[in-house]
Amino acid sequence: EDQVTQSPEALRLQEGESSSLNCSYTVSGLRGLFWYRQDPGKGPEFLFTLYSAGEEKEKERLKATLTKKESFLHITAPKPEDSATYLCAVRVSMEYGNKLVFGAGTILRVKS
Amino acid sequence: EPEVTQTPSHQVTQMGQEVILRCVPISNHLYFYWYRQILGQKVEFLVSFYNNEISEKSEIFDDQFSVERPDGSNFTLKIRSTKLEDSAMYFCASMDLLGTGANVLTFGAGSRLTVL
Repeated sequence: EDQVTQSPEALRLQEGESSSLNCSYTVSGLRGLFWYRQDPGKGPEFLFTLYSAGEEKEKERLKATLTKKESFLHITAPKPEDSATYLCAVRVSMEYGNKLVFGAGTILRVKS
Repeated sequence: EPEVTQTPSHQVTQMGQEVILRCVPISNHLYFYWYRQILGQKVEFLVSFYNNEISEKSEIFDDQFSVERPDGSNFTLKIRSTKLEDSAMYFCASMDLLGTGANVLTFGAGSRLTVL
C-alpha cells in the first residue's frame, strides 16, 4: 500500500533559524513527489515536483531534495510568512491523470 | 494567474439533505478531481474525472456521491443524503498534461461542509 509519513508533526522556529522537514514514502513505483503549502482554511498551493533520486528544486528560502526513500524540504532563514502546513504527496499512476496520496503534513510556525 | 474556483465557501446542512458543491476548473485543463480533508486529518482522494466520465474513485466515494460536468466550465460534486461524517473541507482540483504546469494538480480554496 502506498504510504507517506511526514515528520515532525509540528515545528517552531525563530526567524532566521534554518531547519528541514522530512517526508518518507513507500510506493510501488515513484511517479513524482510533490510538496504543497497549505494555509489555514485554504487549499494546497503547489511548491515543487521531484521525479528522481538526487533531484533538487529551489524557490526563495525553500529547497526540496529527493532520495530513493525520502524527501526533505529545507527552509533557510525562515520568515514569519513561511508559517503554514507543508504537505508532501506522492503520485500514484492511474490510467488517466494523477492520484495523489498525501502525508499528514508538518505545521510550521516561525516567530519573529 | 489561472485558478480553480469553488462555491460555496461554507455550507451548513441538516443530516439527510442533498448538497451540491460547485467548481470551475482552470479553462484549458482536462482532468478534474475531488479531494476532501476532515478536520485535523490528511487530504484524501475521492474521485477523478476525465473525458466526461469517472476514471477512478476511492472507497469513500460510495453510491451517495456523484460527479457531473454539466457544461463546458462547471464540475460538481453531489452528496445525496448527507451524514455527520461527511463534514469536511472538499477541494476541487484540475490538471493538464501539457505546458509548464504539466502533471501538477491545482487546488481550489475549498468548500467547507458542516452537517448537523
